[in-house]
Amino acid sequence: SQQGEEDPQALSIQEGENATMNCSYKTSINNLQWYRQNSGRGLVHLILIRSNEREKHSGRLRVTLDTSKKSSSLLITASRAADTASYFCATGAGNMLTFGGGTRLMVKP
Amino acid sequence: SQTIHQWPATLVQPVGSPLSLECTVEGTSNPNLYWYRQAAGRGLQLLFYSVGIGQISSEVPQNLSASRPQDRQFILSSKKLLLSDSGFYLCAWSVGSRASTDTQYFGPGTRLTVL
Repeated sequence: SQQGEEDPQALSIQEGENATMNCSYKTSINNLQWYRQNSGRGLVHLILIRSNEREKHSGRLRVTLDTSKKSSSLLITASRAADTASYFCATGAGNMLTFGGGTRLMVKP
Repeated sequence: SQTIHQWPATLVQPVGSPLSLECTVEGTSNPNLYWYRQAAGRGLQLLFYSVGIGQISSEVPQNLSASRPQDRQFILSSKKLLLSDSGFYLCAWSVGSRASTDTQYFGPGTRLTVL
């Protein structure tokens, strides 16, 4: 079964708006990662947040982690049409990364 | 810099035929290697991972097998394909000296259609 579950499954916004995606998981983790996948392509690593961190930034990306709620969020600020993709969270626990089902983001120009 | 290659990019095979997908990594030594399958519109399912030559761990019992004949080569095989083997197959690597939960770097994928 999947460790991480993203919410919403699909999100459609206008260019310039912010996009927020959430990830919930069930067991203790070492880290949580977010990846991006353009249609028909491989995944690209965006950001990794460790279990002892609460917030991390990378450019227009902001990731938060709440281990007490077993949840994380990915915020993309000032979205662009080029941000259109699927976004996956992956939880690192034991010796494995487990991927969620993803959020499909569409940014309309 | 490190690069990861997969081939072929697309493949259409009849049911019952054999399969061989190849993944190679350049620019690093002793990487951890992974095979994932992704069904349409879904997340990734880990199939196999390897921490060294000849060392293969299987996560899901199925019609597939994996081999690592060289340090930076990972092969996914099947003797007889099933319809349910259709999907998008992704190879990934991570730094071998670090835990398998560290950042993974993905290849471009192989789209397999079994008819």
